[in-house]
Amino acid sequence: DVKVTQSSRYLVKRTGEKVFLECVQDMDHENMFWYRQDPGLGLRLIYFSYDVKMKEKGDIPEGYSVSREKKERFSLILESASTNQTSMYLCASSLSTSGRREGDEQFFGPGTRLTVL
Amino acid sequence: SQELEQSPQSLIVQEGKNLTINCTSSKTLYGLYWYKQKYGEGLIFLMMLQKGGEEKSHEKITAKLDEKKQQSSLHITASQPSHAGIYLCGADFRDSNYQLIWGAGTKLIIKP
Repeated sequence: DVKVTQSSRYLVKRTGEKVFLECVQDMDHENMFWYRQDPGLGLRLIYFSYDVKMKEKGDIPEGYSVSREKKERFSLILESASTNQTSMYLCASSLSTSGRREGDEQFFGPGTRLTVL
Repeated sequence: SQELEQSPQSLIVQEGKNLTINCTSSKTLYGLYWYKQKYGEGLIFLMMLQKGGEEKSHEKITAKLDEKKQQSSLHITASQPSHAGIYLCGADFRDSNYQLIWGAGTKLIIKP
């Protein structure tokens, strides 16, 4: 079974702090994603990565950056946390995007609920 | 996303009853993914549909993609407390190699 793990389930930070959210997958997936989930808004893509050191902006990249130095690890960085970044953060990975077929679905981690005070 | 509408937003169902959740697109779906999320946790993949008219089942959950490939329905038969959670649909519009567009989710509560 694919396992996607996230470094923390709950995190409380202060405004202005630099925050690191870590995600690790153990199935050699090429693609990794960071989403935030807010009530009534569904999942919104922040950044994704299709290979080591490669990244693409999603729908809401402002205030975030990412790092993918190793294939299995994808980090989300909040350079200076703000209260409007209080949210549930979900990491996901998928095998490839070469074809839209069974087996290309995204596998999600358990989420990190971040509160910025 | 307005490209993908999920309905209803929330649903309270008596245990044992059937229910349907819909995911409607404004354009052709090349793939439609259904996920379930228990409160405060990550998403669990349920099913993926690609072909018009395709229907798949997973235990007591059945999902179907209509012939025109613009709507999918998720049907639960004889609901149980374990079905409670948030159901999300994610759409592949072929606009991007990587991105799925997500519905806002349907919150399902099962009354004992």
